[in-house]
Amino acid sequence: EAGVVQSPRYKIIEKKQPVAFWCNPISGHNTLYWYRQNLGQGPELLIRYENEEAVDDSQLPKDRFSAERLKGVDSTLKIQPAELGDSAVYLCASSYEGGGYGYTFGSGTRLTVV
Amino acid sequence: QKEVEQDPGPLSVPEGAIVSLNCTYSNSAFQYFMWYRQYSRKGPELLMYTYSSGNKEDGRFTAQVDKSSKYISLFIRDSQPSDSATYLCANSDAGNMLTFGGGTRLMVKP
Repeated sequence: EAGVVQSPRYKIIEKKQPVAFWCNPISGHNTLYWYRQNLGQGPELLIRYENEEAVDDSQLPKDRFSAERLKGVDSTLKIQPAELGDSAVYLCASSYEGGGYGYTFGSGTRLTVV
Repeated sequence: QKEVEQDPGPLSVPEGAIVSLNCTYSNSAFQYFMWYRQYSRKGPELLMYTYSSGNKEDGRFTAQVDKSSKYISLFIRDSQPSDSATYLCANSDAGNMLTFGGGTRLMVKP
């Protein structure tokens, strides 16, 4: 079984440019998460989806970040425009409902804004 | 104060040593306690999962949770160079959101 698949693995963009990350969760996992991990720190939640509904987006900087999960499967996270401080690893994870048992993470997208 | 705290390390030990990694938390609502291992340039992978207080053993790994002192430990016996990674403590209440510590970087030297 394929794990959580993310693309691209690496992205370098100039500030003020837009960027998008894609995630394909494990088949059957209805809960999908986007986390951001800064260098030397633990992951921090940006948004959580239950099927296609965003149920927790309180930490998502809505002025520049947006996300969608069409048909309750794949998800896209977008930043427009990117700022230098957005450089980080963006991790996608998925779980069955009741993720207190732990999530499965993808390998992440490493974003560098120059 | 962060909800989940870990010493960032790095912790350097010789191969074969017993490793103790620790984590403290402040939220009394946490009931689920996990340890994730993260290799460089990889996503975190679930290593150990514990519900409420107590011990759990899986091979060379033992997780301990003491809810009375809000203290969590991960022990690694007979440590191997392949155990070199960052270890993330993650806690959750009855809901779906995990709160992570900053991670402890472990280096096991041959």
